[in-house]
Amino acid sequence: AQKITQTQPGMFVQEKEAVTLDCTYDTSDQSYGLFWYKQPSSGEMIFLIYQGSYDEQNATEGRYSLNFQKARKSANLVISASQLGDSAMYFCAMRENNAGGTSYGKLTFGQGTILTVHP
Amino acid sequence: ETGVTQTPRHLVMGMTNKKSLKCEQHLGHNAMYWYKQSAKKPLELMFVYNFKEQTENNSVPSRFSPECPNSSHLFLHLHTLQPEDSALYLCASSQGNRGSGNTIYFGEGSWLTVV
Repeated sequence: AQKITQTQPGMFVQEKEAVTLDCTYDTSDQSYGLFWYKQPSSGEMIFLIYQGSYDEQNATEGRYSLNFQKARKSANLVISASQLGDSAMYFCAMRENNAGGTSYGKLTFGQGTILTVHP
Repeated sequence: ETGVTQTPRHLVMGMTNKKSLKCEQHLGHNAMYWYKQSAKKPLELMFVYNFKEQTENNSVPSRFSPECPNSSHLFLHLHTLQPEDSALYLCASSQGNRGSGNTIYFGEGSWLTVV
């Protein structure tokens, strides 16, 4: 079963507006971490924001915020005041804490969402 | 400037060639990873090293051979690859291997084309 689902292959947003990128996940672990990464066309995978499963408050990092709804197993990324430089592929990823002590923190990624910001 | 650097950024190799990808992290991390990103597929974990010891091999074919001489350097040796191995290879590192909160930082990737 797919563990990370990003249902939006592509999204468009007008410059200076906010956009929400969807992510749902599946895990039986109680302790896990959720991450969002940005990948421009150059290929580099840039860390944006992290949310721990036990964190009670939604994570925020500058213009990025994570709308974490644990019961629904969703971790949507909200980008406020979009900029042209935000155009890129965005990946949601999950790190499960421990699978018998051998997982060693590997990330499971979704398929990604291509965001295009229009001027 | 990223704390994880990869060389070369672009590589074209024939199926009979032997080449290597190099990764170096300047973040003082203990764990290093190789991921593969193919077109239209999610990123796939290939190998994990923790304190120079390989802790995970995600059923990767033997034509990919990793090497981790120390906690700061990671190599991926390539030999007799197939065209379907053409992909973006991403190196990453993290502070520790345990705990879901340890952020994994990636390099810029090495674009590999097998002809």
